[in-house]
Amino acid sequence: QLQLQASGPGLVKPSETLSLTCTVTGDSITSTSYYWGWIRQPPGKGLEWIASIHYSEGTFYNPSLKSRVTISVDTSKNQFSLRLTSVTAADTAVYYCATPGGVLVPFWGPGTLVTVSS
Amino acid sequence: EIALTQSPATLSLSPGERATLSCRASQSFTSTYFAWYQQKPGQTPRVLIYGSSTRAPGIPDRFSGSGSGTDFTLTISRLQPEDSAVYYCHRYDSAPQTFGQGTTVEIK
Repeated sequence: QLQLQASGPGLVKPSETLSLTCTVTGDSITSTSYYWGWIRQPPGKGLEWIASIHYSEGTFYNPSLKSRVTISVDTSKNQFSLRLTSVTAADTAVYYCATPGGVLVPFWGPGTLVTVSS
Repeated sequence: EIALTQSPATLSLSPGERATLSCRASQSFTSTYFAWYQQKPGQTPRVLIYGSSTRAPGIPDRFSGSGSGTDFTLTISRLQPEDSAVYYCHRYDSAPQTFGQGTTVEIK
């Protein structure tokens, strides 16, 4: 059974970098069956796809965030990560790691709330 | 970018009634990469339907999905009180992936 668990600071200061990690259990991060990705949801609002990575196909970014976002994989830890630079209050959201892509059923881990505030 | 527009914004129905939720895309895409989610307050979105019409494991058969091209539908055949939630559609055929803005289903 695939499990995803996001982790990272719950509070980030404006202009700093938000870094989150998603630990994958139940399958290998190198599996080509999955697109690993990040999705966020500001409080009281809808869902926004941020980025995805596929072990052989590479990275995919939301153009609205592309200049500030990096998604990467750490095969030694079976994790994938998100970096979002120059954050503002608009980046306050629940961040979900998920498998949004491919033909398998999408899977989401529990979200983690990140607040941008001084 | 392919935008998804959901309608109606809110649906208020009684238990046992049939709910029909619509998701319309701004241009056609491959229906293999389309899903519906249910989200209750404070919870992670739960996938109901993927591949436009395949129920996810553990999802009751009162939930069904259909559609292709630009028009997709989620049907809840016999509403239960626990179906009160926000429902989102999602296309993941290509970047940027997009979500609909959500339909709130209220049970009278």
